[in-house]
Amino acid sequence: GAGVSQSPSNKVTEKGKDVELRCDPISGHTALYWYRQSLGQGLEFLIYFQGNSAPDKSGLPSDRFSAERTGGSVSTLTIQRTQQEDSAVYLCASSLAGTTNEKLFFGSGTQLSVL
Amino acid sequence: AQSVSQHNHHVILSEAASLELGCNYSYGGTVNLFWYVQYPGQHLQLLLKYFSGDPLVKGIKGFEAEFIKSKFSFNLRKPSVQWSDTAEYFCAVNPSGGSYIPTFGRGTSLIVHP
Repeated sequence: GAGVSQSPSNKVTEKGKDVELRCDPISGHTALYWYRQSLGQGLEFLIYFQGNSAPDKSGLPSDRFSAERTGGSVSTLTIQRTQQEDSAVYLCASSLAGTTNEKLFFGSGTQLSVL
Repeated sequence: AQSVSQHNHHVILSEAASLELGCNYSYGGTVNLFWYVQYPGQHLQLLLKYFSGDPLVKGIKGFEAEFIKSKFSFNLRKPSVQWSDTAEYFCAVNPSGGSYIPTFGRGTSLIVHP
């Protein structure tokens, strides 16, 4: 596709369940970012992938959160044992080379609701 | 680590009014600065960016922003807003030679009444 694709667009889950969120970046983009957008809190960085380098996981809020990127393309963010405070919009973005002056291309996000 | 402050969280204007949204960042070195916009029901997209040269940058839809290094500011302006400018606006900073991870502000919700 032409843009960053995220699925599902909405996910409702029960507290304690695991969820997987998927991101398909723009073809050829080497950098991939995950952010979390909570109401009134702006965008909170979670994790960053660049090519074959080890990911920067410094934004992950707890060890319940993990992410992988297979083949330098599709990424999956996994949240284990979900809690109500995990409810938010999870945004994925990609950029061509990950340089500091590049713009990010965002997906439409996954709205996660934990009941 | 860098941070970004957007002082106006909610702004309500009438059409044709002038707009200025504040953005201040904390980082002592060279920075790249961005404004992103999220229209209702749409994904975040770039409005404009500054990385070098003329500190007054122009973006889409008549928006402009001025980088004032001495004030660590990158305020967004538009002389006459339209109803279609209703959106959420985010300022972001990405230091040159840094971690390559942009830091975003909390966002400003702009509502323009027709």
